[in-house]
Amino acid sequence: GAGVSQSPSNKVTEKGKDVELRCDPISGHTALYWYRQSLGQGLEFLIYFQGNSAPDKSGLPSDRFSAERTGGSVSTLTIQRTQQEDSAVYLCASSRLAGGNTDTQYFGPGTRLTVL
Amino acid sequence: GDSVTQMEGPVTLSEEAFLTINCTYTATGYPSLFWYVQYPGEGLQLLLKATKADDKGSNKGFEATYRKETTSFHLEKGSVQVSDSAVYFCALRGGNTPLVFGKGTRLSVIA
Repeated sequence: GAGVSQSPSNKVTEKGKDVELRCDPISGHTALYWYRQSLGQGLEFLIYFQGNSAPDKSGLPSDRFSAERTGGSVSTLTIQRTQQEDSAVYLCASSRLAGGNTDTQYFGPGTRLTVL
Repeated sequence: GDSVTQMEGPVTLSEEAFLTINCTYTATGYPSLFWYVQYPGEGLQLLLKATKADDKGSNKGFEATYRKETTSFHLEKGSVQVSDSAVYFCALRGGNTPLVFGKGTRLSVIA
């Protein structure tokens, strides 16, 4: 079946602009995660949605970052007033189960964000 | 908090050489351990995983054993191929939490 998809694949924006990144998880997966991959920082967790529960936002680096998940499926990560340090690859992952540490997360191809 | 430390790369090997990428972790409780691989131009893929002590994960000739006594999950392959060139990430997940990743190790295999 279809995997996790993300759009756009690449986004170039000017400093101070807002951007929206989209993630379509695998159908039927109840958990959805956003991570950021940047040089020197590796892969960092940003936010986690689990079913209908309140999201875990503990990884968001500032209040310029927010995310929502509509209807338990598609998620949008929004970055307001982008800064150059926001340049990174933003990865989305989904998993079938809402809990348990054995659950496998499946990753999308990522969105490469460049802030000029 | 939980953390993962893996050897820094890049690692360059000749084809058919033996590969070891070291990974150690710090976690409370009993996490599951994972190796993910990112091939050039592609997304992260799960390579293998182990969910309890002494479990061995294996896939595509790669192996890693969950060693609780040394808090390690080293990745090994007996004979690497050029197609194994990629970035490898060690990760853990403790309970109902997101993955915690190491910084990644870039492997280049030359013919």
